[in-house]
Amino acid sequence: DGGITQSPKYLFRKEGQNVTLSCEQNLNHDAMYWYRQDPGQGLRLIYYSQIVNDFQKGDIAEGYSVSREKKESFPLTVTSAQKNPTAFYLCASSIGLAGQQYFGPGTRLTVT
Amino acid sequence: AQKVTQAQTEISVVEKEDVTLDCVYETRDTTYYLFWYKQPPSGELVFLIRRNSFDEQNEISGRYSWNFQKSTSSFNFTITASQVVDSAVYFCALKTTGGGNKLTFGTGTQLKVEL
Repeated sequence: DGGITQSPKYLFRKEGQNVTLSCEQNLNHDAMYWYRQDPGQGLRLIYYSQIVNDFQKGDIAEGYSVSREKKESFPLTVTSAQKNPTAFYLCASSIGLAGQQYFGPGTRLTVT
Repeated sequence: AQKVTQAQTEISVVEKEDVTLDCVYETRDTTYYLFWYKQPPSGELVFLIRRNSFDEQNEISGRYSWNFQKSTSSFNFTITASQVVDSAVYFCALKTTGGGNKLTFGTGTQLKVEL
């Protein structure tokens, strides 16, 4: 089945630790995105990547880092510099930057 | 700057009632796209519709219909004869042609359909 997978679904970390969220797609999409969702709020863009080995900051990139070494994968690292990391993280992909975005199931990160 | 406003935070209806979810957007661009997504309790966003700024025709898909009015910058979503399975958070989003295909989301409307 074609789609986007994010693992794990729930993730727990201690404050001060870096954590990496996985996002894999087999849709052969060039562009990939990371969004953050907080309770009662819409999604906010963290980072996006148009092609392999290239990525751009979104609206709330501080405290996050990404890599795009393969077309299928776009992992997001939440660093200890992110002041409020507990949130629901959604990965998306699209054929090109103009294409419709398809979303993965999300990872709920809790940092205590 | 782009902005999407969904003034209705939560709506509760009884099954079989019709319900309209409001969406008002702001942009200075003349070319843009509007979207509606559904987020069920599982969390995944499900695409419902995309409409470009040059197409003001209303659209109907089964029990769903969308009313796009550029004059009022609105893109409202109506569910006819609502069902319990329609219970979810619904997001309206705006994309302009620049800015890396960034979707600007509204804050969402929680729809609860009860028996």
